[in-house]
Amino acid sequence: EPEVTQTPSHQVTQMGQEVILRCVPISNHLYFYWYRQILGQKVEFLVSFYNNEISEKSEIFDDQFSVERPDGSNFTLKIRSTKLEDSAMYFCASRGIEDKEAFFGQGTRLTVV
Amino acid sequence: EDKVVQSPLSLVVHEGDTVTLNCSYEVTNFRSLLWYKQEKKAPTFLFMLTSSGIEKKSGRLSSILDKKELFSILNITATQTGDSAVYLCAVERGTYKYIFGTGTRLKVLA
Repeated sequence: EPEVTQTPSHQVTQMGQEVILRCVPISNHLYFYWYRQILGQKVEFLVSFYNNEISEKSEIFDDQFSVERPDGSNFTLKIRSTKLEDSAMYFCASRGIEDKEAFFGQGTRLTVV
Repeated sequence: EDKVVQSPLSLVVHEGDTVTLNCSYEVTNFRSLLWYKQEKKAPTFLFMLTSSGIEKKSGRLSSILDKKELFSILNITATQTGDSAVYLCAVERGTYKYIFGTGTRLKVLA
């Protein structure tokens, strides 16, 4: 069964460092999303991406964040200068044209120390 | 401001019990409501509801949407320990965004 894959599963980084979280959405999907979940809190929308551009972003998604689809398969989230409060589980999701539900990857746990 | 509210926040039941989880929403440009189950990591899809009054069913799980009163319920009958998880309600707003509730943490005791 097709699935969304994310790497790495866990990343520890020092405050102020740049991190890139990688996702391979389900092939032939066209809508891509990043969500995050701080421990014990709800899943929060960060950004959606369609047709090679950002469709919508939340107030969390400030200038420190960027997304890219560098080739036909990867979808990346970059955090330029990490802060302690960026520590969270980051989920990538994708959706096809015909689907209504988004399929989620297993997440990358980011720990900023 | 768009919001999705789930209740209860947590629930402890015994195997065999029936549970009802609630989700109410106030979201502009509503397209659909989805239920996900989150055990350890990724939310896994359960149901998508777009029309009022039509029950979706999968085994012991069922769900229904009321678009007039702006809520949905998820029922689980004959609960098993494997049903222990966080159940997430998400509302699709427009094409590009899902708004999640805080989730209901269900624990089923043997």
